[in-house]
Amino acid sequence: GAVVSQHPSRVICKSGTSVKIECRSLDFQATTMFWYRQFPKQSLMLMATSNEGSKATYEQGVEKDKFLINHASLTLSTLTVTSAHPEDSSFYICSARDASGGRNTIYFGEGSWLTVV
Amino acid sequence: TQLLEQSPQFLSIQEGENLTVYCNSSSVFSSLQWYRQEPGEGPVLLVTVVTGGEVKKLKRLTFQFGDARKDSSLHITAAQPGDTGLYLCAGMEAGTALIFGKGTTLSVSS
Repeated sequence: GAVVSQHPSRVICKSGTSVKIECRSLDFQATTMFWYRQFPKQSLMLMATSNEGSKATYEQGVEKDKFLINHASLTLSTLTVTSAHPEDSSFYICSARDASGGRNTIYFGEGSWLTVV
Repeated sequence: TQLLEQSPQFLSIQEGENLTVYCNSSSVFSSLQWYRQEPGEGPVLLVTVVTGGEVKKLKRLTFQFGDARKDSSLHITAAQPGDTGLYLCAGMEAGTALIFGKGTTLSVSS
């Protein structure tokens, strides 16, 4: 079946540095990918919708200059957390939409744990 | 912004008991999905309901979609410790992102 892969699965970075998380659709093309953030014991909160070849659409309250999203190809979207701070530590999850052949199926990645120290 | 209200937020029961989780919204969704998530992993899709009034069964799990496609429920019969986890409902309008409810943390003790 379709698979969405995230990398890295875990990353620790120093406060003030930037970290990039990749989201890849492995066997389908995804014109649309989504980035979520999840704090412990809470639900997934949509951060932004990533559209291939155009600017991402950010949800209210999400800083676009801090969470840079690039969707340069039909199989890859990246989320860069810039100038990370400890409060950015969280579980980041991506999902990708498979809209081929009339489908409208969303597949989730495995998630990426970010710890900022 | 569409909102999904999920209840209860936390549920702790004994093995063998039944339980129901509710997901309600004032908005109509083209489809509604239920997920289960283990700590540190991505959510795993349990079921998608698309038709008002639809009922789907997955072993001991029964999912219902309201007639107006605004609400859904998940019923678990004879819960087992292996059912422990975070259950999430998520609604989707055509062509948009999945919006998640706040989740229900279920703990089943033996």
